[in-house]
Amino acid sequence: NAGVTQTPKFRVLKTGQSMTLLCAQDMNHEYMYWYRQDPGMGLRLIHYSVGEGTTAKGEVPDGYNVSRLKKQNFLLGLESAAPSQTSVYFCASSYLSYSNQPQHFGDGTRLSIL
Amino acid sequence: GESVGLHLPTLSVQEGDNSIINCAYSNSASDYFIWYKQESGKGPQFIIDIRSNMDKRQGQRVTVLLNKTVKHLSLQIAATQPGDSAVYFCAERNEKLTFGTGTRLTIIP
Repeated sequence: NAGVTQTPKFRVLKTGQSMTLLCAQDMNHEYMYWYRQDPGMGLRLIHYSVGEGTTAKGEVPDGYNVSRLKKQNFLLGLESAAPSQTSVYFCASSYLSYSNQPQHFGDGTRLSIL
Repeated sequence: GESVGLHLPTLSVQEGDNSIINCAYSNSASDYFIWYKQESGKGPQFIIDIRSNMDKRQGQRVTVLLNKTVKHLSLQIAATQPGDSAVYFCAERNEKLTFGTGTRLTIIP
């Protein structure tokens, strides 16, 4: 049982480039989330999804887009990367809303924007 | 403290001793709390949770205590082992889930 798998694990981009971060979960969870983790701050929610075909904005959505075409996958896109988006990105999932149960996290994607 | 930063509060504990990690939360209306463990290069891992209608909850080698009067949460780890070395952070829920920045636990052999 792999849980939550994120790809890639590391990536370096130049300012203005685009990329997609992939998240896959094999637990049949309805809810999926994208967070960023920065020094001096707790995890911050970027976008989330409450089921296949749905997405919603979190706390820090600007500069990111997401898609949930399949229940098991949640994609995070950066259309035009900026140095401020240098961070560690975590995907998480849960069967119920995170307000009712803990989430399962992937091991992160470390993204540097030069 | 912070989960991946340079200036996290730190706690050093002798192997075999008990560890107590503290968390002050901000909102008196928060009704659900979670403790996570994050090892270097890994994602957060759920340890234990507690709802506001409880004061204490126990798991395997871990106990969470909730003091709503002073908005304080603590995680106690019994008989600390080298594998317990990690950053520990709490999360509180009111209208949203808010994560703390964490405490780095170091085990002294």
